[in-house]
Amino acid sequence: AQRVTQPEKLLSVFKGAPVELKCNYSYSGSPELFWYVQYSRQRLQLLLRHISRESIKGFTADLNKGETSFHLKKPFAQEEDSAMYYCALEGSSYKLIFGSGTRLLVRP
Amino acid sequence: DVKVTQSSRYLVKRTGEKVFLECVQDMDHENMFWYRQDPGLGLRLIYFSYDVKMKEKGDIPEGYSVSREKKERFSLILESASTNQTSMYLCASSLGGREKLFFGSGTQLSVL
Repeated sequence: AQRVTQPEKLLSVFKGAPVELKCNYSYSGSPELFWYVQYSRQRLQLLLRHISRESIKGFTADLNKGETSFHLKKPFAQEEDSAMYYCALEGSSYKLIFGSGTRLLVRP
Repeated sequence: DVKVTQSSRYLVKRTGEKVFLECVQDMDHENMFWYRQDPGLGLRLIYFSYDVKMKEKGDIPEGYSVSREKKERFSLILESASTNQTSMYLCASSLGGREKLFFGSGTQLSVL
């Protein structure tokens, strides 16, 4: 079965502090992993995906197959990073499953 | 830019009513999805479709059905609405497998 776990409902940091949003997954095959973000009053949108290995808005995420993790990191948080972040996994058959989300609050 | 349009931003219905939520995308995407978004539970997949007239159950299909008669339109149907179906419903589409999803702005459904 496919499952995505985001253990933190809320993560609060000060501006300039490092951020790590945790994501663990369960899938027996070769997954495609994504991070989606929803800013206040905006649509959910893709932040990054592991296969592209891009850094978007200073965020990176590395797939660790041994630990079945795909944590999202940023070295210096900005206030505009405050949003809801969802980790998602696509296994077989086009089925994209999301985690329960983590709200990131960056305080000034 | 891809546009995914959900017909209503807010809906209020009564218990037992039949409810239709409509979603249209304008970029010839193969795949379409319906999720519900609840605080603390994240997004849960209700149904998805990878082709016209094709549909697959997601993780929480009970109480819902879908229709995809045309490629650009994917409808979610609540046959007999219940209060536990009060939620934010999100439609999304993608070009194909393992491609990024484009989301609609959501429909906040309240069932009284």
